[in-house]
Order: sequence, then structure tokens, then C-alpha cells
Amino acid sequence: GQNIDQPTEMTATEGAIVQINCTYQTSGFNGLFWYQQHAGEAPTFLSYNVLDGLEEKGRFSSFLSRSKGYSYLLLKELQMKDSASYLCAVRDSNYQLIWGAGTKLIIKP
Amino acid sequence: DTAVSQTPKYLVTQMGNDKSIKCEQNLGHDTMYWYKQDSKKFLKIMFSYNNKELIINETVPNRFSPKSPDKAHLNLHINSLELGDSAVYFCASSQVGESGLSYEQYFGPGTRLTVT
Repeated sequence: GQNIDQPTEMTATEGAIVQINCTYQTSGFNGLFWYQQHAGEAPTFLSYNVLDGLEEKGRFSSFLSRSKGYSYLLLKELQMKDSASYLCAVRDSNYQLIWGAGTKLIIKP
Repeated sequence: DTAVSQTPKYLVTQMGNDKSIKCEQNLGHDTMYWYKQDSKKFLKIMFSYNNKELIINETVPNRFSPKSPDKAHLNLHINSLELGDSAVYFCASSQVGESGLSYEQYFGPGTRLTVT
């Protein structure tokens, strides 16, 4: 079967750095997405990786290793507004998105 | 301007009823989707649809049916509602690139369905 694993919950301090990991086992690979979802709101797109390496976008970066079936989302200079769930999703060989259950990130002052 | 909109935002109804949720996108996207997000926050794809193909998640009961009057709309109709249908339903849309792969998805605000 297809599977995406993320930690259920993480806690970090305002101003610090946090890394949210995502490992996947899917039938083929055609890209990996990260989304942010605040409580009671819709998911919003953060980043996309299809080749190995690091994609940087402001305070957020996403890394991909296809050989290891692994990605991480790195959040720098954490702000209270970064408290949210972070969803990892992989597009498989049928071009369908397989979603992880999300990581709830709690930011403390 | 709202990119992807859904109505209603909240829907409370009784078991056995039939209801519809409407979705509209003004982004000119090719593909639209319906997702169900349960209490554990797991996002489950129900349908994806473009003007050529409807892809159905085989685990979705046939009480659920998508209806697309045009490219900008994909409504979700649910027959004989059950308690387990209570969840948040998200509509989303995306554009398909020249490679045939979809870009990122834009989500509507969600419809919180409560079946009593």
C-alpha cells in the first residue's frame, strides 16, 4: 500500500528553527507538496519538490531525497502565526495526490 | 476576489436526508477536486474531475456524486446521509501544465457537515 508518515505533533519556541520530516512509500513519484493548514481553515500551498535538493522560499525551505523517500520542511525564525498543521502530499505514478495525516506544530513564546 | 468558494459553510441535517454542497472557482483551472477531512484531520480525496475525466476514489460510497455544470463548478451531492458523513468537505482546483502534471491545488474554505 501507499503510505506517508509525519510526526503527529511538534513543539517549538518563537524565533527558533524547526524541521518537520516526511517519509513516503508510494507507487511511483511525481512530486512532493507541502501545505499549511491553520485550525478551522483550508490548506494553503507552501512548496513543491520534484528533484532532489533544497527549495528555499523566504523563511520556509523544503528538501527532497527521492532515493530515501524522504522530505523535510524547515521553518526558520518561527513566529506565533506559524502554529498550524503541516501536510505532506506525494503525487504517485497515476498522478494522484497521497496525503499524510499532517503534523501539528505548536509555537510557544 | 475569492478564488475557490463553497456554499454553505455550515450544514446541519438529519440522517437520511439528501444534500448538496456547491463549489465554484474563478481561477480558470482545468481540474477540480472534492476532499473529506475527518475529525483526525486526515485529508482524503473523494473525486477529481476535469472536462475529460472523472476519477473516483473507489472507497467513496456511491451515495456521493459530483456534478459539474461547467468548468468552473463542481458540486457534491450526497444521498441518504449517515452519521459517519459528518466531516469537513473541501473543494479544490488546480491548473494542468504542458507536461500534463497539475500544479498546486487551491482550496475552498470548507463546508462543515454535521449529521444528527
